[in-house]
Parts: sequence; structure tokens; C-alpha cells
Amino acid sequence: EIVLTQSPATLSLSPGERATLSCRASPSISRYLAWFQLKPGQAPRLLIYDTSKRATGTPDRFSGSGSGTDFTLTISSVEPEDFAFYYCQVRENWPPEVTFGPGTKVDLK
Amino acid sequence: QLQLQESGPGLVKPSETLSLTCTVSGGTMTSEDDYWLWIRQPPGKGLEWIGSVFYGGTTHYKPSLKSRITMSLDPTKNHFSLNLDSVTAADTAVYYCATTDDSGSGLIWGRGTTVTVSS
Repeated sequence: EIVLTQSPATLSLSPGERATLSCRASPSISRYLAWFQLKPGQAPRLLIYDTSKRATGTPDRFSGSGSGTDFTLTISSVEPEDFAFYYCQVRENWPPEVTFGPGTKVDLK
Repeated sequence: QLQLQESGPGLVKPSETLSLTCTVSGGTMTSEDDYWLWIRQPPGKGLEWIGSVFYGGTTHYKPSLKSRITMSLDPTKNHFSLNLDSVTAADTAVYYCATTDDSGSGLIWGRGTTVTVSS
């Protein structure tokens, strides 16, 4: 069973600051990781797939990196519309299950 | 562009059955490689995968819910469904439908629908 942990739980930033969100997998995963953004009342928005590839429409201020157990989502310069919850997620082919991290809330300092 | 939309009652009485439908537009449901999922988020808690169904009808459920859950898929109607029996307040959540995309990791999501279990 894969367990994903995210840190920090909350990240308080001002617009223009850099955001670094961490996702740790246990055990190490050889498969790809995705990051998505969640705002109340909206469909979750895929930002990064396969660890480091931007989804269609994802601004280039978002980047993903990592391998094995440690993965990172970076927002190079936070914009007002970026204040939201962010989740990492792993998808299996078989069994057809998805595992989520507990999320990081990025809010306004 | 594939789009998913959940529908169903927002209020269900305890011990009754929660029934939701996810309508798919902008594409088909006939790929044997993709699977269709239900995910929920109780108030103040994290996201929880609850079950998956393939085009051919194969299902896979979260073990703790297996005795109460049924999922089905109807590609002729472009929708898939969730039935959760004998609900309690613990089943109160935002329920999302989703499907796998062409990448190795991404999902395409619906907007979610809030279901409250209360008498």
C-alpha cells in the first residue's frame, strides 16, 4: 500500500513569493506522480502529470520534480489565483486505485 | 475535451441508498485501458478513492466499503453510476467522479456534488 505524505500542511505566502510543496511516498514509487489544485466548488485541476510534465493550460510558473520517495511542486512566483489546496496523487493500473496525499493549503499571508 | 458531471440527490436519509450518476460528454467510454472512478471528500477530511469500474464491467472497490457499494457503467448512455447502501452520517461528503487520462498518472474530474446524510 502506498502512503503519500505532504508538507507543509499550510503555506502562507504573499503574491510574488516562491512556493515549494513536498510530497513523500512510502514505499518508494517507480510510477509517476501527479499534482492537482482544488478550489471549493470547482473541479479539481490537473497541474502536473508524470512527475514533471505540465498539463494543458498549466502556467509555466508551476513545475514538478522528484523521483523515488521525494517529489516537489514549485510555484516560482505565486499569483493571487494560486491560493488553493494542492494534492499529490498516484494512480495504479492494477489494482485500479488512486492514492492521495493529505494536501497542502497555500493561503495569503 | 472529455467532461464529467455528477448528478443525484443532495440529501439522503440514514440507512437508505445513495445513488449518483456521472454523465460523460466530449468522448466515449469504450476504451478498455481507462477506468472510471468515484472519489469522495468528507467535510474537513482528505480525498478517498472509493471504487473503479472498467468498460467491460470489471469493478474494484475500497475494501472497507465493499459490502455496501455497487458501481456500473453504461457506454450506450455515456454514464456510470454509484450506489452506496445503508448510509450513515459518515458517508456525508463531496462525491467526485473521474476517469484516467492518457498519461501515466493524471485524472479527469467532475466538479463534484455534495451529499448529506441526515434525517
